[in-house]
Amino acid sequence: DTAVSQTPKYLVTQMGNDKSIKCEQNLGHDTMYWYKQDSKKFLKIMFSYNNKELIINETVPNRFSPKSPDKAHLNLHINSLELGDSAVYFCASSQSVGVRKEQFFGPGTRLTVL
Amino acid sequence: AQKVTQAQTEISVVEKEDVTLDCVYETRDTTYYLFWYKQPPSGELVFLIRRNSFDEQNEISGRYSWNFQKSTSSFNFTITASQVVDSAVYFCALSEDRNQGGKLIFGQGTELSVKP
Repeated sequence: DTAVSQTPKYLVTQMGNDKSIKCEQNLGHDTMYWYKQDSKKFLKIMFSYNNKELIINETVPNRFSPKSPDKAHLNLHINSLELGDSAVYFCASSQSVGVRKEQFFGPGTRLTVL
Repeated sequence: AQKVTQAQTEISVVEKEDVTLDCVYETRDTTYYLFWYKQPPSGELVFLIRRNSFDEQNEISGRYSWNFQKSTSSFNFTITASQVVDSAVYFCALSEDRNQGGKLIFGQGTELSVKP
């Protein structure tokens, strides 16, 4: 069974479109994250949720809106996609905010904006 | 300011050589956590190790070993007798205790190529 899963794995779309990426974890963790990996492989935090509550919003444009319907899910919706949004988006989860346990990552979603 | 620096962008070795990947970090926290992750060509991020700032013991796991030195703010990773399957991008990361969000601050990554 996959611990952290993301769908879709690949997403190709036109500029200006709206798209969503879904993430689910079956590890029983209470904290979930979205990271963006750019073309130079640099990884940067975007959002973090603990028990469905947003706790990190790392100066991400308003076009990006995370939603956590429950502790096991954290979805990412992107409005009005731009060329610069092309990247690999990773979802991750960890056990607790208070204790820095390791984060487990999903397989990534490669987003290409044409 | 918090920062992680992996000065080696790319390293190329021949199989069975030992290789050390450097990681230097900056933080004002006294309590923090350091991590190494591996990203093979298939793209997933694989957790390798976590260290807290109060535990400076070196760790060995098979062919992997880690050297944590607070005095030099370094957390270096050594692969002994490297194998082709070790070819990947390796990331060092920092998480600060005062940062309640638990975010990981990643270094730029070191791309290791192990040739047969």
